[in-house]
Amino acid sequence: AQKVTQAQTEISVVEKEDVTLDCVYETRDTTYYLFWYKQPPSGELVFLIRRNSFDEQNEISGRYSWNFQKSTSSFNFTITASQVVDSAVYFCALSETGANSKLTFGKGITLSVRP
Amino acid sequence: NAGVTQTPKFRILKIGQSMTLQCTQDMNHNYMYWYRQDPGMGLKLIYYSVGAGITDKGEVPNGYNVSRSTTEDFPLRLELAAPSQTSVYFCASTPDYGYTFGSGTRLTVV
Repeated sequence: AQKVTQAQTEISVVEKEDVTLDCVYETRDTTYYLFWYKQPPSGELVFLIRRNSFDEQNEISGRYSWNFQKSTSSFNFTITASQVVDSAVYFCALSETGANSKLTFGKGITLSVRP
Repeated sequence: NAGVTQTPKFRILKIGQSMTLQCTQDMNHNYMYWYRQDPGMGLKLIYYSVGAGITDKGEVPNGYNVSRSTTEDFPLRLELAAPSQTSVYFCASTPDYGYTFGSGTRLTVV
């Protein structure tokens, strides 16, 4: 069965600090997809990134970057120069192919960025 | 193109009452899902559907029922509301692995 672990539950940083959110996953599939979602205080789920298991290239999007390492089954998310607007709950999720595209979520990390 | 529409956004139910959470998508997606989100627990899958007429249980189906008579609609039914069903409910759809989520329904059972 697939599993996603986000060991950090709450992180608090001061604005402009860098912060890394950890995600470790378990799957028996060789083909799968990994996701990060942001849930701001307003409650909606905002898609950040999707990565398939064959693409281990790191990705950078503005202040956001993701480090995917199959060897350690990790898909970590770094926010550079954090801002107050980054305060939210961040979810890592996994979908196995052939599993009816079901998403399995981690428990989420609450990030608070203080001015 | 509205995406995934959930109604209502908020609802308070009394114990034992029943209600239906509505979910509609206009993207012709085959796969649809219902998740519930409890504080500190992430999102857990209640039911899902891979197409009209086909539904299956997820991780936490007890107390809920679903139907999928059309591609567009995937309503979630609570028959006898219990306090344990107080949660935020999200509907989602996908054609493969690109998910669109509704804005959620916050349900309180008192």
